[in-house]
Amino acid sequence: EAQVTQNPRYLITVTGKKLTVTCSQNMNHEYMSWYRQDPGLGLRQIYYSMNVEVTDKGDVPEGYKVSRKEKRNFPLILESPSPNQTSLYFCASSLNRWGNTEAFFGQGTRLTVV
Amino acid sequence: AQSVAQPEDQVNVAEGNPLTVKCTYSVSGNPYLFWYVQYPNRGLQFLLKYITGDNLVKGSYGFEAEFNKSQTSFHLKKPSALVSDSALYFCAVRDSFTGGGNKLTFGTGTQLKVEL
Repeated sequence: EAQVTQNPRYLITVTGKKLTVTCSQNMNHEYMSWYRQDPGLGLRQIYYSMNVEVTDKGDVPEGYKVSRKEKRNFPLILESPSPNQTSLYFCASSLNRWGNTEAFFGQGTRLTVV
Repeated sequence: AQSVAQPEDQVNVAEGNPLTVKCTYSVSGNPYLFWYVQYPNRGLQFLLKYITGDNLVKGSYGFEAEFNKSQTSFHLKKPSALVSDSALYFCAVRDSFTGGGNKLTFGTGTQLKVEL
């Protein structure tokens, strides 16, 4: 089954404790991205990757890091989480970088930073 | 810059009645337009897209959308709503002139509530 898998689904952590949210896709997609969803703001892009070893900032990259060492994986790293990073996070992948194909989304990770 | 607006936070409709969820967009070039649906505790699911061609696009679960270039709109429609259609709906746009960045800009979402 074609899918994007995120882990964990739920996470409660304390301020400053480094964490990683994993994302993996099994569709050999070229393009992957991370979004955060906040009430009244829709989805905002954090980082994206057009291929292996190619990543770039989205609209709200502050406080986040990503890496793309393999085509299937695109982890999101919070080196020192803060309460304003409490949000619902989605990983997505698309076949190519040109924007004319639909994105497949993971189930989401609900992060709470206390 | 690209942007998208969903002017209604919530739309209520009776089961069996037609539904419309509104979306307007702004791009520099030609738009690629998408609708996604989000059910509680789930990720976004693709419904339909407009890339080029016919202005009326048909998608999953009986939904359709009409691309109107002069009004810069891409409203989502369904002839007969079901209670199971109740969910959060997002419109998204990408400007075809922005090269290979593939950045999607999402609206703020419209909560659709279908009542018996």
